[in-house]
Amino acid sequence: QVQLQESGPGLVKPSETLSLTCTVSGYSISSGYYWGWIRQPPGEGLEWIGNIYRSGTTYYNTSLKSRVTISVDTSKNQLSLKLSSVTAADTAVFYCARFNWNVDFWGQGILITVSS
Amino acid sequence: QSALTQPPSASGSPGQSVTISCTGTSSDVGGYNYVSWFQQHPGKAPKVMIYEVSKRPSGVPDRFSGSKSGNTASLTVSGLQAEDEADYYCSSFAGNSKVVFGGGTKLTVL
Repeated sequence: QVQLQESGPGLVKPSETLSLTCTVSGYSISSGYYWGWIRQPPGEGLEWIGNIYRSGTTYYNTSLKSRVTISVDTSKNQLSLKLSSVTAADTAVFYCARFNWNVDFWGQGILITVSS
Repeated sequence: QSALTQPPSASGSPGQSVTISCTGTSSDVGGYNYVSWFQQHPGKAPKVMIYEVSKRPSGVPDRFSGSKSGNTASLTVSGLQAEDEADYYCSSFAGNSKVVFGGGTKLTVL
């Protein structure tokens, strides 16, 4: 069974860069599928952030593209998310996910709060 | 990418059926048979209930069904049960590995 586990600091200061890691177990990222990130502000809906393939090819939500970097480390079976110049509006639960045309496996999510 | 349009709320009594709609465009819902529905209980991660418009993952009750007509997808929950009360989100593949979500529908079991 594919399992995804997000990790990172729970609190980030405004204007800084948010960095998250997702560790995948039960499936090798290098075997295929797209992997990516989704976020959900408190009390709000889901927003796709972006995806990455094992080759490193990335696709980003146009609204976040200028601030987002997604990378993959196949040796550690991990993917990472960096979101720069964060503001309070970036406070959200961040989920990593596997994409098989659409999401088929979700991580449990991690709450990231942007505050000084 | 624009969000898909869902009604903010839906409700039904135990045993009844309820249908939630999800309207997109020919660039997402209408263009691909990769619409999924997710159930989310408070404080929990979303759970896949329907994928590829109408397929159910193992373990999802057959009370949940999905369909699509044109640019609108629908989720029907039959024989409503108390545990079905949750937020439901639709999602569609939108080309070039992009995914778009609906705004979510809060389902209340009366």
